[in-house]
Amino acid sequence: AQSVSQHNHHVILSEAASLELGCNYSYGGTVNLFWYVQYPGQHLQLLLKYFSGDPLVKGIKGFEAEFIKSKFSFNLRKPSVQWSDTAEYFCAVSRGHTGGFKTIFGAGTRLFVKA
Amino acid sequence: DGGITQSPKYLFRKEGQNVTLSCEQNLNHDAMYWYRQDPGQGLRLIYYSQIVNDFQKGDIAEGYSVSREKKESFPLTVTSAQKNPTAFYLCASSNREYEQFFGPGTRLTVL
Repeated sequence: AQSVSQHNHHVILSEAASLELGCNYSYGGTVNLFWYVQYPGQHLQLLLKYFSGDPLVKGIKGFEAEFIKSKFSFNLRKPSVQWSDTAEYFCAVSRGHTGGFKTIFGAGTRLFVKA
Repeated sequence: DGGITQSPKYLFRKEGQNVTLSCEQNLNHDAMYWYRQDPGQGLRLIYYSQIVNDFQKGDIAEGYSVSREKKESFPLTVTSAQKNPTAFYLCASSNREYEQFFGPGTRLTVL
């Protein structure tokens, strides 16, 4: 079955630690890739996206992600996390199909950053 | 301000009742989506609509219905046929394959 897998459901880090959240997808062909973030009590919002070009994309708040086509991966990274990064992070894949475009989300990773 | 509004924020329903969740957008987006968010399961697609008067089932459409009579509006009805309706429901819109913009969500509880 086509899917989006996020490897870690819960991650706990101390401030200034480095972060890497894994995301793998199982679709072939052309896809658009996204990371969304949901801060406590806030709307789900876009963190960064990849459509084409440079496979290393930079998003808001110092986040970046690398698309590795051969590994079907789009891992999210941040060199030094802050307490304010505590949130739930969702990887998503969008692809065209009959009837339009469809986006599939991963199960999410809850990140807790200790001050 | 452009954005997506969902109402109500909290909704309680008795078993056996249908209930309709509202979603309105003023972003002039063609596509609109309904997701269900449950702990540990991420967002699961219920229904989506790429254009007015057309919509498609998502991965978990059973027990739900939608309509898309206007570009701005995409209401979701949770019917009595939905076996486990208690959840957090998110509406989103986008321009085709591009990023989605989400509303604040409606938390439905079946009593």
